[in-house]
Amino acid sequence: EAQVTQNPRYLITVTGKKLTVTCSQNMNHEYMSWYRQDPGLGLRQIYYSMNVEVTDKGDVPEGYKVSRKEKRNFPLILESPSPNQTSLYFCASSPLPTYEQYFGPGTRLTVT
Amino acid sequence: KNEVEQSPQNLTAQEGEFITINCSYSVGISALHWLQQHPGGGIVSLFMLSSGKKKHGRLIATINIQEKHSSLHITASHPRDSAVYICAVVRAYNTDKLIFGTGTRLQVFP
Repeated sequence: EAQVTQNPRYLITVTGKKLTVTCSQNMNHEYMSWYRQDPGLGLRQIYYSMNVEVTDKGDVPEGYKVSRKEKRNFPLILESPSPNQTSLYFCASSPLPTYEQYFGPGTRLTVT
Repeated sequence: KNEVEQSPQNLTAQEGEFITINCSYSVGISALHWLQQHPGGGIVSLFMLSSGKKKHGRLIATINIQEKHSSLHITASHPRDSAVYICAVVRAYNTDKLIFGTGTRLQVFP
């Protein structure tokens, strides 16, 4: 089954404790992206990757890091989480941004 | 001003009604996506448009590139259509990024 998986689905953590949210796709897609969704602001792009070892900033990259060492995986790293990073996070993949987007189930992160 | 605006923000309808959700954008684009976010939070892609019109079941999406406007229509609406509908565009001059509208929350009552 074609899918994008994210882990964990729910996470409560404390300020400053490094965390990683994993994202994996099994469709051999080149394009992968991370978004955060906040009430009233909608979805905003954090980082995206056009292929292995190629990553670039989206509209809200501050406080986040990503890596793309393998085509299927695109982890999101919060080196020192802060409460303003409390949000719902989605990973997505597609052959290109102009193709159908496949979204993961979301990760709800709370930073206290 | 947001580059992608959706209207209305909230919409209620009776089962069977014809629904229209609008998306206007202010930049040149190479593609426009319509997405559906279920009450449980999952997001699925409904359509990708670069011109004209697409139909899938009771859903129809249209785009007018000259007017920078797209519409999503739902014919014979059903309570299971209740969801948030999100429009997203891919800028013509930067085809790597997606810009999203804030969504339209639709509730269809039996």
